[in-house]
Amino acid sequence: EMQLVESGGDLVQPGGSLRLSCAASGFPFSEFWMFWVRQAPGKGLIQISRIKGDGSGISYAESVKGRFTVSRDNAKKTLYLQMNSLRAEDTGVYYCTTLTVGVTSDCWGQGTLVTVSS
Amino acid sequence: DVVMTQSPLSLPVTLGQPASISCRSSQSLVHTDGNIYLNWFQQRPGQSPRRLIYKVSNRDSGVPDRFSGSGSGTDFTLKISRVEAEDLGVYYCMQGTQWPKTFGQGTKVEIK
Repeated sequence: EMQLVESGGDLVQPGGSLRLSCAASGFPFSEFWMFWVRQAPGKGLIQISRIKGDGSGISYAESVKGRFTVSRDNAKKTLYLQMNSLRAEDTGVYYCTTLTVGVTSDCWGQGTLVTVSS
Repeated sequence: DVVMTQSPLSLPVTLGQPASISCRSSQSLVHTDGNIYLNWFQQRPGQSPRRLIYKVSNRDSGVPDRFSGSGSGTDFTLKISRVEAEDLGVYYCMQGTQWPKTFGQGTKVEIK
């Protein structure tokens, strides 16, 4: 069974940093594009980053470009999101997901809450 | 970016009655490979999103057949033939034809 488990969310002050992790199991992790999707409190879903299976193909939403860095360790089957210079508007639940569009099964983690507040 | 617009944003329903959600894209979602990459997701309260439909009309494994998707080009619809209590939550369309993948605003399905 495909599974994704996020960790690392916390309360952090504006300007601070956090690193989120997402542990994958039950599927060939290195063959999948992986995505981070953010959901602000009471709001919708926004793709904020993506990374190809081999670590290439990285891109970010404009709102996080230059502050967030996505990476992956295929040997550990883990996806990361390094978040620097955090702002109040970065507050939300962060999901890692395969965000699959075809016949291959789709998978989402349970989400990890990031709160940016003084 | 492709803008996805859903309507309505709130959908009061009566259990056992049908429901329908519309999703419109700002550009054609026909990919160069001929496929249309349009997903529908369900998010129940306190849960992660769950994909229900992929490529417009294909139900994921375990999704009840009361859910159906249709559409083409820029206009798409999710229908629930008879709403059950477990169907309450927020529904999102998402296009995967162009980068970045983009979501609609969400439609909250709630009891009338």
